[in-house]
Amino acid sequence: DSGVTQTPKHLITATGQRVTLRCSPRSGDLSVYWYQQSLDQGLQFLIQYYNGEERAKGNILERFSAQQFPDLHSELNLSSLELGDSALYFCASSVEGAGTDTQYFGPGTRLTVL
Amino acid sequence: KNEVEQSPQNLTAQEGEFITINCSYSVGISALHWLQQHPGGGIVSLFMLSSGKKKHGRLIATINIQEKHSSLHITASHPRDSAVYICAVKSLSNYQLIWGAGTKLIIKP
Repeated sequence: DSGVTQTPKHLITATGQRVTLRCSPRSGDLSVYWYQQSLDQGLQFLIQYYNGEERAKGNILERFSAQQFPDLHSELNLSSLELGDSALYFCASSVEGAGTDTQYFGPGTRLTVL
Repeated sequence: KNEVEQSPQNLTAQEGEFITINCSYSVGISALHWLQQHPGGGIVSLFMLSSGKKKHGRLIATINIQEKHSSLHITASHPRDSAVYICAVKSLSNYQLIWGAGTKLIIKP
């Protein structure tokens, strides 16, 4: 158990819909990362937040957005969903989010878009 | 050319064999991570290296900064080691991790 929690575990929805994925980092970790892993593909970095502020942006679509709240939990919002958005979405956390930090991964949310 | 290359892509071995997975990268890095992804999808961070060698149980990770190369070794491999092993480097130029494609390891009893 990494200490990072993600909800929900599974999500099935239809194209065009909007969903919100939630992540709670390990106690004491200030940085949260979101990753997307499509079927049989590697992890794609989406976005990083540090202490409520966006720190780095990766291959995140304009239809996707995220935020980190004062209690440090984070939400990833996916809108106008397409079939290709079906994937595992991982959240990770680290203490500071820079340099040699180790990232701790949550169990992931499996999103299926029908 | 990918900035992080792993080899082999797939590896099948018998229980008890010594396993080596390689990771080469082409960018300047502050750290390199080895992670394990279980068949169910969960990801576990194994090692974070910036120099030298680290050991945890039957797992050993080494890094050669000059050669931009890291290896993950598994001694006395076991079927429960079957997983995808992923190398990721933290680029010096930004905070992002650059991921390798992963090595799918199957250990047969």
